[in-house]
Amino acid sequence: SQQGEEDPQALSIQEGENATMNCSYKTSINNLQWYRQNSGRGLVHLILIRSNEREKHSGRLRVTLDTSKKSSSLLITASRAADTASYFCATGANTNAGKSTFGDGTTLTVKP
Amino acid sequence: DAMVIQNPRYQVTQFGKPVTLSCSQTLNHNVMYWYQQKSSQAPKLLFHYYDKDFNNEADTPDNFQSRRPNTSFCFLDIRSPGLGDAAMYLCATSRGQAGAFSYEQYFGPGTRLTVT
Repeated sequence: SQQGEEDPQALSIQEGENATMNCSYKTSINNLQWYRQNSGRGLVHLILIRSNEREKHSGRLRVTLDTSKKSSSLLITASRAADTASYFCATGANTNAGKSTFGDGTTLTVKP
Repeated sequence: DAMVIQNPRYQVTQFGKPVTLSCSQTLNHNVMYWYQQKSSQAPKLLFHYYDKDFNNEADTPDNFQSRRPNTSFCFLDIRSPGLGDAAMYLCATSRGQAGAFSYEQYFGPGTRLTVT
């Protein structure tokens, strides 16, 4: 069964607005990763945050991790039409060396 | 540029006719994965190789097989494709260490399989 569950399933915003998507998971993890997938393409790794980290930034992306609530959020600031894609979280655990379990994703549409 | 390459990008096969999808990588990663992704769903892990060690997911049908002849190449064989096997097949690679947590994965562009 899938570990991560994303919320919302779909999000539509105007260019320039911020987009926030959330990921919840069930069991202990070593790290959590966020990926982007443009329509009909492979996934692109965005950020990896370890279980002992609370926040991480990369350009316009900000990821937070709350291990007590078993949740993570991805914030995209000043969104652009090119950010339109599906976003997936993936959790990595001690017992699954080399494996990550993907959530169902959030589909983000940024309107120009 | 180092990358993960999948061929073909689009594959059409007939019901029951064996098909092979290929993946190659120039990243020299020791872990390779095959995922199946259906429309609007999460990628579903079919199996992965840690070096030459093959790891099958418990719910991967026997109809799916894989080969990894060397570090760079990995193949997905579907012995008798059914209509339900139509999907995007994604290959990915990562570094890995025995007993270590997962590392970021690098994905190929995928092969879209159509079964007629």
